Amino acid sequence: RKEVEQDPGPFNVPEGATVAFNCTYSNSASQSFFWYRQDCRKEPKLLMSVYSSGNEDGRFTAQLNRASQYISLLIRDSKLSDSATYLCVIQNTGFQKLVFGTGTRLLVSP
Amino acid sequence: DTAVSQTPKYLVTQMGNDKSIKCEQNLGHDTMYWYKQDSKKFLKIMFSYNNKELIINETVPNRFSPKSPDKAHLNLHINSLELGDSAVYFCASSQFTRGQKQTQYFGPGTRLLVL
Repeated sequence: RKEVEQDPGPFNVPEGATVAFNCTYSNSASQSFFWYRQDCRKEPKLLMSVYSSGNEDGRFTAQLNRASQYISLLIRDSKLSDSATYLCVIQNTGFQKLVFGTGTRLLVSP
Repeated sequence: DTAVSQTPKYLVTQMGNDKSIKCEQNLGHDTMYWYKQDSKKFLKIMFSYNNKELIINETVPNRFSPKSPDKAHLNLHINSLELGDSAVYFCASSQFTRGQKQTQYFGPGTRLLVL
C-alpha cells in the first residue's frame, strides 16, 4: 500500500465549479501535511499547509482528519488557471522527509 | 533572482555514460534534496543533505552519488546510465527547524533521457 494515496483523476470541471480532492495516508505518526501544486512540465510549488483545525486561503480550503488519516482540498469558484496536478504531501518525523502522493489532475474548462 | 537553479535543464545521453546534474540555491537554506519523478509522475526523494552532511539516503542504486561541496550546492553524479534512469530530477531546498513544518522550494527540474 502506498504511503499517500490520491485519486489520479482527471477531474474535469467547468469554470466556477467547486471541486474537492481527497487523500489518505498510512503512517499515523505523520507530523505535517501540505498540498503542493504542479503545473505541466514545471516544478512542484507549495499551495498551502494543512492544519488540524482546517485552514482557508482565498478560494482554497484544506482539512485534516487525523483519526481517519485523511486530508482534503476544496477549491471554490474554479478558474482556468487552477488546471494543474495537486499533490498531497506528508512530512514524517525526523529530517523533514516529504512523501508525495501521485497527484490528482484537475482540468478546468471554459 | 532564481531561488533554486539546476543545470542542465535537458540531458540526452547514451546508456553506459556518466553524467552530472548541478543544483544551487541562493535562499540561505541549510538542507537540500534530490527527487526523481518518473514517467508516471510519481515524485520520490532520493537524497538529502543538511549542512553538507548526508541525512536521507533512500534505496537508490549506488551508481547515484550526491555531493555537497557547501550548503548552497548539491550535485548528483550518475555512473553507467541505464534506460530506467530516464526521468525528471528535481533539486529542492529548505531551512531545517526540528519538529516544525517547513516549505521545500524546488528547482525547475532536469529532464534526463537515456537512449
